[in-house]
Amino acid sequence: AAGVIQSPRHLIKEKRETATLKCYPIPRHDTVYWYQQGPGQDPQFLISFYEKMQSDKGSIPDRFSAQQFSDYHSELNMSSLELGDSALYFCASSLGDGRTYVEQYFGPGTRLTVT
Amino acid sequence: GESVGLHLPTLSVQEGDNSIINCAYSNSASDYFIWYKQESGKGPQFIIDIRSNMDKRQGQRVTVLLNKTVKHLSLQIAATQPGDSAVYFCAENMGGRTTSGTYKYIFGTGTRLKVLA
Repeated sequence: AAGVIQSPRHLIKEKRETATLKCYPIPRHDTVYWYQQGPGQDPQFLISFYEKMQSDKGSIPDRFSAQQFSDYHSELNMSSLELGDSALYFCASSLGDGRTYVEQYFGPGTRLTVT
Repeated sequence: GESVGLHLPTLSVQEGDNSIINCAYSNSASDYFIWYKQESGKGPQFIIDIRSNMDKRQGQRVTVLLNKTVKHLSLQIAATQPGDSAVYFCAENMGGRTTSGTYKYIFGTGTRLKVLA
């Protein structure tokens, strides 16, 4: 079965540079979530989109922005990168089919290293 | 604030034994829980879920128990195998879909399961 696709898988940037992470949800999934996971930490929710509209915001810095496009893929844009932004960034998707509870399926992640 | 956490950061289990991974949650409004398995360098993988109207749910070699009285969740893995070595997270959801259309999950601190040969 098709899974969540993220690109790139690895990214190395210098401080103050910008980075763009891409997420392609499972086909038919209309909801995308972005998480940041530091070393040895649990995933921290950043932001989510439902039907191409920003939905909930978590601990996303103002330097970061994201959007969901008409084909439901999403991009996380990160500017003025800092050393502390080095982390794994996960995208998850789910299908909002009217059920009260739905599972989130995660992608393999993008490992961002800021030097 | 409300949080989800785990009692033990690392659990070492002999191959073939049963594993029990615990999770405590503090938000009494949480009504849906998911256990995820995360192998090194990979994304969290859905294992099993449970709703608050249940106290037990079984999958293949895994069982999740929910004790709402003490706000405790556990994941039991039967006949633990080397491939079970990973970090396990519990995640809670409160009230299903938010007014903005998505589902908000809070992750607890993971527990690393080490399977000893």
